[in-house]
Amino acid sequence: KNQVEQSPQSLIILEGKNCTLQCNYTVSPFSNLRWYKQDTGRGPVSLTIMTFSENTKSNGRYTATLDADTKQSSLHITASQLSDSASYICVVSDRGSTLGRLYFGRGTQLTVWP
Amino acid sequence: EADIYQTPRYLVIGTGKKITLECSQTMGHDKMYWYQQDPGMELHLIHYSYGVNSTEKGDLSSESTVSRIRTEHFPLTLESARPSHTSQYLCASSDQGNQPQHFGDGTRLSIL
Repeated sequence: KNQVEQSPQSLIILEGKNCTLQCNYTVSPFSNLRWYKQDTGRGPVSLTIMTFSENTKSNGRYTATLDADTKQSSLHITASQLSDSASYICVVSDRGSTLGRLYFGRGTQLTVWP
Repeated sequence: EADIYQTPRYLVIGTGKKITLECSQTMGHDKMYWYQQDPGMELHLIHYSYGVNSTEKGDLSSESTVSRIRTEHFPLTLESARPSHTSQYLCASSDQGNQPQHFGDGTRLSIL
C-alpha cells in the first residue's frame, strides 16, 4: 500500500533555531517528492519538488533532501522565523498513471515562538 | 502567487440545501482537482479533470459532482448537504507534466 508518513506530528521551536522535518514513503514506482507549506486557513504552497536523481534542493532557508534508496526525505529550516509557523506537507507522486497520482502525508505542524 | 480562486471562503448552511463551491484559475491549466481535508488529516482527492468536458472521481468516495465546461472553471456541487459533508474543500490546478499543483485557499463548509 502506497503511504507517506511524516514525523514529528507537531514541533515547537524558538525563533532563530533550526529544525528538520522527516518524511518516509512507500510509494512505488516513484516519480517525485514535493514539500508544501500550508498556513492556517490557506491552501498549500509548493516549496520544493525533487525527482529521483536529485539529492538536495534549496529554496531560501528551506533545504530538502531525498534518499531514494531508503525512501526518506527531510526538510531543514534554517534560522526559523515566526512566519514559518505552518503545517508542512510531504507529497509523493507515482509514475504508474498519466495523472501522476499524489500521495499526501498528514503534515508536521510547526510552531515558532518568539 | 498562483492565480486560483475559491468562493465562498466560509459557508455555514442547513441540512438538505443545494451547495455549489466555485473554483476558477487564470493560468490556463488543463488539469484541475478537488480535495477534501479534515483537521490534522491528509488531503484526499475527490474529483479531477484533464480538461474541458473531462471529469473523473478521485480516491475518496464523495456524493458531490463536478463539471468542466470551461478551462478556467471547475465548480463542485452538493445536491443535498448533510452534516457528514462538513470539511474543508481545496481546489487545485496544474499544467502538464510534473509541475506542482497550485492550490486555492479553500472553502470551509459547515453543515448544521
